[in-house]
Amino acid sequence: GENVEQHPSTLSVQEGDSAVIKCTYSDSASNYFPWYKQELGKRPQLIIDIRSNVGEKKDQRIAVTLNKTAKHFSLHITETQPEDSAVYFCAASPYSSASKIIFGSGTRLSIRP
Amino acid sequence: GAVVSQHPSRVICKSGTSVKIECRSLDFQATTMFWYRQFPKQSLMLMATSNEGSKATYEQGVEKDKFLINHASLTLSTLTVTSAHPEDSSFYICSARANRGSGATDTQYFGPGTRLTVL
Repeated sequence: GENVEQHPSTLSVQEGDSAVIKCTYSDSASNYFPWYKQELGKRPQLIIDIRSNVGEKKDQRIAVTLNKTAKHFSLHITETQPEDSAVYFCAASPYSSASKIIFGSGTRLSIRP
Repeated sequence: GAVVSQHPSRVICKSGTSVKIECRSLDFQATTMFWYRQFPKQSLMLMATSNEGSKATYEQGVEKDKFLINHASLTLSTLTVTSAHPEDSSFYICSARANRGSGATDTQYFGPGTRLTVL
């Protein structure tokens, strides 16, 4: 089955700087890659997603890139703000499993004032 | 936007009892719902896929007789933790796939989660 690896597990950046979180996946048939933000004790919130027919997608300060050949995808947050502090999860959806989503291990992002 | 609710939000029970958690899609129909378990400071682990009108599909290592799933309608799936033990204490989260027919078939919406504590 699909295996998603995510790193780093923790990331601390100065407010205003950029943060990058990287993930790899194992199933070349995966075609959907969402990113979720989860605050303590709350539900995961979808912040951006990308499909395998697209190499990059941007939404304001957030961007995601996908390299299908290398099976890598990354989340980029620019001009970080204190409210960006949370746990971020990447995920991949294997085409053959009807939208079953497999999560990475998570990255705890802290923004230093 | 699509809303998914869960009930209860918190439950404390004694070891050996059974606990039922409900997951509802409030403003859309969901033929498929998913159940996840999340231990403190860990990721979401998919437990099972719940399909309306048919048996759930369980992930490897998840005991189907311990975690009973019923998806009796297009808006409701239930997870029953049978004979709960302290090691079952966790944050249980459901999600529902919204098939709007416009191409957003991969979008999943998460419920707020249920924190189960087994004494």
